[in-house]
Amino acid sequence: DQQVKQNSPSLSVQEGRISILNCDYTNSMFDYFLWYKKYPAEGPTFLISISSIKDKNEDGRFTVFLNKSAKHLSLHIVPSQPGDSAVYFCAASGADKLIFGTGTRLQVFP
Amino acid sequence: DSGVTQTPKHLITATGQRVTLRCSPRSGDLSVYWYQQSLDQGLQFLIHYYNGEERAKGNILERFSAQQFPDLHSELNLSSLELGDSALYFCASTQGGLSETQYFGPGTRLLVL
Repeated sequence: DQQVKQNSPSLSVQEGRISILNCDYTNSMFDYFLWYKKYPAEGPTFLISISSIKDKNEDGRFTVFLNKSAKHLSLHIVPSQPGDSAVYFCAASGADKLIFGTGTRLQVFP
Repeated sequence: DSGVTQTPKHLITATGQRVTLRCSPRSGDLSVYWYQQSLDQGLQFLIHYYNGEERAKGNILERFSAQQFPDLHSELNLSSLELGDSALYFCASTQGGLSETQYFGPGTRLLVL
């Protein structure tokens, strides 16, 4: 039972364009959502988060949108840079659980 | 550098064996979380300790156990190892609970032959 799903295993975007990574969840008990970025041979690093009381949170080039009715969140990166190439995990927290999605590999090409 | 350390970095062992993975949280963090990442899988939450006490269990097998010591470092013990236990094992730490940002260590890559 996958409570947090990232249906796109990979995404390829040209440098300077927008990258949109999507994540769906099933458990309405989740009230806090996070995005982590992972480079090869390193642990995940925190990128941005959003509480369920908000529908948008912005930090520089990164914006996370939350649509509670659709149980969907997305991460927008604009403009995308080659250094953004990594695996991105969304995670949902609530009721003493933190569930990660399976990740989306983003490739930003020149 | 997240401030979370994990040892060893790599571990190769045989089926049926037992191994211990070690994690030291960031200075001041009381919570330690263990995760398993198998090939093409997301991060599977295994277990959470807060200040020496078990707080939550995820998909942790009975062959696996963990503890957190008074100095707050944690160990994950994996026994009767099977080929399918080959994975990356990460620990993460926070000051308190799940609603905080988790800081991850670099992981231990376990290969069971």
